[in-house]
Amino acid sequence: DQQVKQNSPSLSVQEGRISILNCDYTNSMFDYFLWYKKYPAEGPTFLISISSIKDKNEDGRFTVFLNKSAKHLSLHIVPSQPGDSAVYFCAATPRGGSNYKLTFGKGTLLTVNP
Amino acid sequence: DSGVTQTPKHLITATGQRVTLRCSPRSGDLSVYWYQQSLDQGLQFLIQYYNGEERAKGNILERFSAQQFPDLHSELNLSSLELGDSALYFCASSVEAGNDLQPQHFGDGTRLSIL
Repeated sequence: DQQVKQNSPSLSVQEGRISILNCDYTNSMFDYFLWYKKYPAEGPTFLISISSIKDKNEDGRFTVFLNKSAKHLSLHIVPSQPGDSAVYFCAATPRGGSNYKLTFGKGTLLTVNP
Repeated sequence: DSGVTQTPKHLITATGQRVTLRCSPRSGDLSVYWYQQSLDQGLQFLIQYYNGEERAKGNILERFSAQQFPDLHSELNLSSLELGDSALYFCASSVEAGNDLQPQHFGDGTRLSIL
């Protein structure tokens, strides 16, 4: 049972345009969410996170939106650059307690065309 | 560079064998996490250690075990290896595992191939 779902295996956008990557979750205990970017032969690199007390977090070209009622989050990249081409993973975890394990989606391959 | 170091980068061995994967966390990070990424399952949490103690277990097989040493490096031991154990194994670390969550930072992984 997939608790974190990224329904689009791939996304292609033009350089300079907006990239929107989506993620849905089913576990209502999740309240801390992260996005990671992964290049081939490298580990996932942390991009941006958001806790459930917020509905938006911004860091440079990256903005994450959280809709708790819909159990949905999205990552916006504006403007998209060819170097953004990578696999993007959404991850989630409950907050609190002494254990902290991330549940990942299966990823979305973003291709930014020059 | 995330600051998390994993060795070796690649490991090729045969069924029935035993291997040890090593992870050095970022300086100052007390928590270490192990994840397995296989082609069909994506990234799956295996186990977490905090300052030498086991804190959480995920879908880790009984043939697998881990430990975290006083210098905070961690080892993941995989025994009686099967073909299905072929995967990428990632280690991650974070400052702490409490209410004030900080991102986990990942190493570049160990690619394990079972022949």
